[in-house]
Amino acid sequence: DGGITQSPKYLFRKEGQNVTLSCEQNLNHDAMYWYRQDPGQGLRLIYYSQIVNDFQKGDIAEGYSVSREKKESFPLTVTSAQKNPTAFYLCASSISGTSGGQREQFFGPGTRLTVL
Amino acid sequence: LAKTTQPISMDSYEGQEVNITCSHNNIATNDYITWYQQFPSQGPRFIIQGYKTKVTNEVASLFIPADRKSSTLSLPRVSLSDTAVYYCLVGDSPYNNNDMRFGAGTRLTVKP
Repeated sequence: DGGITQSPKYLFRKEGQNVTLSCEQNLNHDAMYWYRQDPGQGLRLIYYSQIVNDFQKGDIAEGYSVSREKKESFPLTVTSAQKNPTAFYLCASSISGTSGGQREQFFGPGTRLTVL
Repeated sequence: LAKTTQPISMDSYEGQEVNITCSHNNIATNDYITWYQQFPSQGPRFIIQGYKTKVTNEVASLFIPADRKSSTLSLPRVSLSDTAVYYCLVGDSPYNNNDMRFGAGTRLTVKP
């Protein structure tokens, strides 16, 4: 059963702690993305990766870090430098390629992070 | 740079056809138009994509006029389960076009 998974669904952390959100996909997709969504708002791109061992900053990368050591995995670390980390975090993946139209993004169920 | 403008919210009733229009005056030659649907506390789901004229699938239709400066997502005979936020995206890919981004979307509420 192919798909993209995120864990945990809910996460609570104390202020000042780093926390890592998991994202795994078995769709054989090259590209993976992390988005942040605040209540009533759209999605904002944090980081994206087109290929293993390579990733690029999105629009709001400050206070976040990622790694892409395996094709299937793209973990996101929310560091203590992120001023307002409480949000809904969504991971997505797609086939790669830069022509022929946008590549449909498949999203995971999301992780709701609350910093106390 | 292509930017999109959508209505913030829309209301409809069950069984009606709903049309959500997205404006994208600065759309580039290579840009495609893509619509996603998002339910609360879930990730968005792809609905439909098009480049010009009309595209139809089992869920919706997408109408794109010749100048491509706008597009209309049409949902036939909506039900309560179509209550969601709908996003219009324009671009070639997130990493080729800085404006292929999810805006605030249109919050559709379907009433009984």
